[in-house]
Amino acid sequence: DAGVTQSPTHLIKTRGQQVTLRCSPKSGHDTVSWYQQALGQGPQFIFQYYEEEERQRGNFPDRFSGHQFPNYSSELNVNALLLGDSALYLCASSRGQGRGEQYFGPGTRLTVT
Amino acid sequence: AQSVTQLGSHVSVSEGALVLLRCNYSSSVPPYLFWYVQYPNQGLQLLLKYTSAATLVKGINGFEAEFKKSETSFHLTKPSAHMSDAAEYFCAVSDLRNDMRFGAGTRLTVKP
Repeated sequence: DAGVTQSPTHLIKTRGQQVTLRCSPKSGHDTVSWYQQALGQGPQFIFQYYEEEERQRGNFPDRFSGHQFPNYSSELNVNALLLGDSALYLCASSRGQGRGEQYFGPGTRLTVT
Repeated sequence: AQSVTQLGSHVSVSEGALVLLRCNYSSSVPPYLFWYVQYPNQGLQLLLKYTSAATLVKGINGFEAEFKKSETSFHLTKPSAHMSDAAEYFCAVSDLRNDMRFGAGTRLTVKP
């Protein structure tokens, strides 16, 4: 049973560019959440997708957007990259809209230069 | 809004000693509480969770945590530390909407 997978593993971008990160949820899961983890900090909730719609959103600007596909996989897009966007981006999947436990992927390390 | 506070950004113990990592929560609804562990350059692995059933929760790798409503605490313990326990530990709380809020983390060092 494959767990949560994310791609790419590492990414280096320049300020002002745009980036797309991808996530495939654990088998049987239909909800995907995205988190940003800056160096030395805990993960910060970005948003959550369920039934292809954004259901909850944390305190992140509109430069952060996402999408969920019919197969439950998800993308995180960040436009107009800033140096402060450098972080580990974690995807987590869960089942349904209830308070089920979330399973995390290994993350994508984004470096903005 | 819910939140957690982890007391102590760094904890150092000797191998074989008791591990105690502290977490206090704030929530306007009965909380679901979690402890996750993160090894270097990896994602988060669930250690244990509290979902309003038994107040003493047992997790993987010999860890356990006790939910104390009167103290709004959910401290993580392990009777005897092992070198492989060295990692970053995160306490988290989720409300009815399941957007999880994490603490800043506690780095556990285990000395031989």
